[in-house]
Amino acid sequence: EVQLVESGGGLIQPGGSLRLSCAASGFTVSSNYMSWVRQAPGKGLEWVSVIYSGGSTYYADSVKGRFTISRDNSKNTLYLQMNSLRAEDTAVYYCARGITRRYFDYWGQGTLVTVSS
Amino acid sequence: DIQMTQSPSSLSASVGDRVTITCQASQDISNYLNWYQQKPGKAPKLLIYDASNLETGVPSRFSGSGSGTDFTFTISSLQPEDIATYYCQQYDNLPRYTFGQGTKLEIK
Repeated sequence: EVQLVESGGGLIQPGGSLRLSCAASGFTVSSNYMSWVRQAPGKGLEWVSVIYSGGSTYYADSVKGRFTISRDNSKNTLYLQMNSLRAEDTAVYYCARGITRRYFDYWGQGTLVTVSS
Repeated sequence: DIQMTQSPSSLSASVGDRVTITCQASQDISNYLNWYQQKPGKAPKLLIYDASNLETGVPSRFSGSGSGTDFTFTISSLQPEDIATYYCQQYDNLPRYTFGQGTKLEIK
């Protein structure tokens, strides 16, 4: 059974850093397209970043230069390193699997990041 | 950037009603469109991919159609468990993805 479990969210001050984790089971992270998608409170979905099976990484303009997506193949885990956090980064962050690049077929339950002083 | 506009932003319908949601792209995206369902407090769930293909395990009352710039998502007979927010998502300009703003569906 495919499962994605995010962790690492919390309350952080503006300018701070946080690392989110997404532990996967039932499939191999490195063989799939893995994304982070966020949802600000009461708002819609926003794609944040993707790492391809080949290792290429891509980011939304809103987070480029501040966020870094990575994976640990030995732990079958996806990460999102978030630096220079801003109030507008406050959201539930979901990790999502794409068995193809076209869509997200499995999602985690999400982890809430709150950026506030 | 490709913009996705969903309509309506919210709608209220009765059990058994046929429900239709539209999604319009700001440029031609062929059939590069997916639909997701998000129930309150839950993660999104893939329902339709490539505009018209039903994801495995999704009830057949859900369907999608369209190509180019205009797309339609339909629930043929609304059930109480269909209460959710529905999102379209385009993948024409990979590696980036864009979602519509969502349509909140309520029971009348």
